[in-house]
Amino acid sequence: GAVVSQHPSWVICKSGTSVKIECRSLDFQATTMFWYRQFPKQSLMLMATSNEGSKATYEQGVEKDKFLINHASLTLSTLTVTSAHPEDSSFYICSARGSGDEKLFFGSGTQLSVL
Amino acid sequence: GQQLNQSPQSMFIQEGEDVSMNCTSSSIFNTWLWYKQDPGEGPVLLIALYKAGELTSNGRLTAQFGITRKDSFLNISASIPSDVGIYFCARRYFGNEKLTFGTGTRLTIIP
Repeated sequence: GAVVSQHPSWVICKSGTSVKIECRSLDFQATTMFWYRQFPKQSLMLMATSNEGSKATYEQGVEKDKFLINHASLTLSTLTVTSAHPEDSSFYICSARGSGDEKLFFGSGTQLSVL
Repeated sequence: GQQLNQSPQSMFIQEGEDVSMNCTSSSIFNTWLWYKQDPGEGPVLLIALYKAGELTSNGRLTAQFGITRKDSFLNISASIPSDVGIYFCARRYFGNEKLTFGTGTRLTIIP
C-alpha cells in the first residue's frame, strides 16, 4: 500500500520555540494532505486540510498563525508549531490522499513535548 | 464537528475470543472506514465500506455498513495478541473529503 513518512517521530522543545514536522508521500503524489492532533486516550481531531499550491483550510478553533502549514509540492507538506507552549504538547499525525483515491494513508505520527 | 460514538469504549478479552464493536452517527454519510492504531503510531486502514448494507472481510476482520447509513460494526474472530490496540471508525460526508473519527474502542487481551 501507499506509504506516508512523517518526521521527526518525536521532538522535545523549550517553550517559545518553533517546531517543524514534515509529512511526505513516498510512492504517490498527494494532492491533499490532512493534519490531525491527538491528545492521550482521545480520538484524532482534524486541524487543517492542506492542498498543494494553495492555502490550507483550518478547522474551527485552530489558530492558523500558530500552526503554519505549507504544501509546496505534491509529495511534501509541513506543519510548523510556532512559539510552542506546553499545552501544544500532543501527538500530531498527517495523512495523505492521492488524486482520485478515496483512501487516506497516515503517517506514523510525531510526539511533541514542550517543556 | 459531529463525533461518531463507538461502543464499547474498551474491551478486555481472552485470546481466541471473538470481538464485536460498533459505531453510530446521527447523520448519514457515504463512506465508512475502520482503522487500527498501535501505541505511538498512526492509524492503519483495515476495511473501507462504500455502500449501505455492504459486508466486507479482511482476514479475521469483518465490517458492515448499516442499511440506514448511520452505523457500522466491526467483528474480529479468534482474537490474537497482535489485535491489541485502539480501533477507530471514521466517516466521510457526501462530497466532502474530510474524515471524522469515532471515539475509539481500546482492545486489551488478558493473558
